[in-house]
Amino acid sequence: EDQVTQSPEALRLQEGESSSLNCSYTVSGLRGLFWYRQDPGKGPEFLFTLYSAGEEKEKERLKATLTKKESFLHITAPKPEDSATYLCAVQVRGSQGNLIFGKGTKLSVKP
Amino acid sequence: KAGVTQTPRYLIKTRGQQVTLSCSPISGHRSVSWYQQTPGQGLQFLFEYFSETQRNKGNFPGRFSGRQFSNSRSEMNVSTLELGDSALYLCASSLNGGGVDTQYFGPGTRLTVL
Repeated sequence: EDQVTQSPEALRLQEGESSSLNCSYTVSGLRGLFWYRQDPGKGPEFLFTLYSAGEEKEKERLKATLTKKESFLHITAPKPEDSATYLCAVQVRGSQGNLIFGKGTKLSVKP
Repeated sequence: KAGVTQTPRYLIKTRGQQVTLSCSPISGHRSVSWYQQTPGQGLQFLFEYFSETQRNKGNFPGRFSGRQFSNSRSEMNVSTLELGDSALYLCASSLNGGGVDTQYFGPGTRLTVL
């Protein structure tokens, strides 16, 4: 069964304290891995798409990496406005329009 | 470019009623996917439509149905509502829904079933 697991469930950081979020996946055939950010009461906001192992993408303080079994979202020197739930999702070969999501990591950044 | 819009944003219904939610995709996007989000289960895929045809369906009962119109707008319907249907219903649109196609989400419709 295709599965996505995110850890930790919650992470509390001080402003400026860098850390990483983990997304491990077990799928029959990966087409792409997506990272989203979700603020309370809002829909997920797209951050990155990764297609193959070894790929990396960066945006401001965020950097996403992909291996054959997991992806990491590195947050460098976070600010309070980075507080949100970060969701990882995979698209599997042969499945149209269906993203399989992890349960998310709730990040809190304190000033 | 306008994003994905969903109406209504909030709904309160009672058990046994039915409800219809609407989604307007980003202009030019032809694929629309629907998800249910709950605190316990997270985001779960309901179904996906492309060119007015349902191409994929998640593991939900037949009470959950949808359709897509020729302008790519989509609706989903839930009949005979149950307490467990209370959730945030999210719609996402993408260009074609094929390949590795990025899905962009709307703000969601918060459904409360009493």
